[in-house]
Amino acid sequence: KNEVEQSPQNLTAQEGEFITINCSYSVGISALHWLQQHPGGGIVSLFMLSSGKKKHGRLIATINIQEKHSSLHITASHPRDSAVYICAYSTGANSKLTFGKGITLSVRP
Amino acid sequence: NAGVTQTPKFQVLKTGQSMTLQCAQDMNHEYMSWYRQDPGMGLRLIHYSVGAGITDQGEVPNGYNVSRSTTEDFPLRLLSAAPSQTSVYFCASHAAYNYGYTFGSGTRLTVV
Repeated sequence: KNEVEQSPQNLTAQEGEFITINCSYSVGISALHWLQQHPGGGIVSLFMLSSGKKKHGRLIATINIQEKHSSLHITASHPRDSAVYICAYSTGANSKLTFGKGITLSVRP
Repeated sequence: NAGVTQTPKFQVLKTGQSMTLQCAQDMNHEYMSWYRQDPGMGLRLIHYSVGAGITDQGEVPNGYNVSRSTTEDFPLRLLSAAPSQTSVYFCASHAAYNYGYTFGSGTRLTVV
């Protein structure tokens, strides 16, 4: 059983829509990471958060530590947001990452 | 400002061959790690290091060796390649406990 569950599994949206991607985990964590991977591309770290909410441009990440749940929101989505979004958590002094399987987002023009 | 550099980007090996995947970072990060990414499996940790001279195994270490003689470099060695090691490999670094990660661009390895 994967310790990190992401939903929905795949997501298609129209340009301009508000998008929410969810992540649930089952253990106590040090921090929650959101990563982005474009097709055939490398992995980019979007957010690392251990409480509350962070915002960067059109992206917002929230975390509820008590409920062991995090969300990534994309406002005014654009086709260039099409990518795989991966949730991961870090634990322990060495901050090892445990990953979800990722959500494939496709934003249609 | 290169970040994390992985070489090569693509490699084809024959079963039984050995090779080294290179990873170098120029950010003076203490922590470095290697992951493999397979379809439907997500990323899995192979080996990691918390500083020069210190390495430890991750979730899937069998068939791979690492060493960390300098802060900058963290090479991953495949001792005797097997088709099951066909994957995309990512190296990553971060500065310290609970700092954000920086990933390399990946190495796509095919073992035939």
